[in-house]
Amino acid sequence: ILNVEQSPQSLHVQEGDSTNFTCSFPSSNFYALHWYRWETAKSPEALFVMTLNGDEKKKGRISATLNTKEGYSYLYIKGSQPEDSATYLCAFRITGNQFYFGTGTSLTVIP
Amino acid sequence: GAVVSQHPSWVICKSGTSVKIECRSLDFQATTMFWYRQFPKQSLMLMATSNEGSKATYEQGVEKDKFLINHASLTLSTLTVTSAHPEDSSFYICSARYRGQETQYFGPGTRLLVL
Repeated sequence: ILNVEQSPQSLHVQEGDSTNFTCSFPSSNFYALHWYRWETAKSPEALFVMTLNGDEKKKGRISATLNTKEGYSYLYIKGSQPEDSATYLCAFRITGNQFYFGTGTSLTVIP
Repeated sequence: GAVVSQHPSWVICKSGTSVKIECRSLDFQATTMFWYRQFPKQSLMLMATSNEGSKATYEQGVEKDKFLINHASLTLSTLTVTSAHPEDSSFYICSARYRGQETQYFGPGTRLLVL
C-alpha cells in the first residue's frame, strides 16, 4: 500500500482568507493525481486531474499545481467562502487502475 | 452531467446475512467502475475495479468470495457483501469512469452496519 499524505488534517479560516493544502505522494510509477471536494452527505466532486510535472489547473477561485519529481501537489483557494467548507481529498494513481487516497483536509470557512 | 447514484444509502443487517449495494451511472456509460471502503478516520481504500462484461479485479487482501462484484451492464454495478459480520461494518462508495476519461465520478456512498 502506497502512502499518500495530506496536510493539514483540518483548517479553519475566515471568510475572504486565502488558503492552501498539500498532498504528498511517492514519486515513482506516477500516472495521475486527482483532487476531489467532498461535502458532508454528498458525493465527492472531481476538481482536477493532473498528469504532467509542472501542471497548473484552475477552476474559479481554486487552483492546483503538481510536482511529480518531488512528489507533491498544492491546492489553493483564493478568497475562501463558506460554501468552500468541505473535505478536500487527493488521490494518486499509478499505472494500471490502482488509486491511493489521502485522508483529506477538512476546511471550515467561518463567515 | 456524470451523475452516479448508489442505493441504499444506509443499511443495517444481522450478522450472517448478505447485503447488496447498487451503483448506477445515470447519464453516461461507465466502462469501468470502482468500489471503495472507508473505515472511520481512514482514507478511501480501493477494493476492486470492474470493467463491463468482465470479472472484477480485486485488490490485495480483499476476499473476492466475500465481496461479490457484478458489472453486467454499462450503467450498473453491484457489490454483494456475503455473510456479513460486524467487522464488515463500514462506508462503501462506488465510482464510475467512461472510456477514455481519467476522472472518476462518485456515488454518495452506503453506510453498512452489521449487528
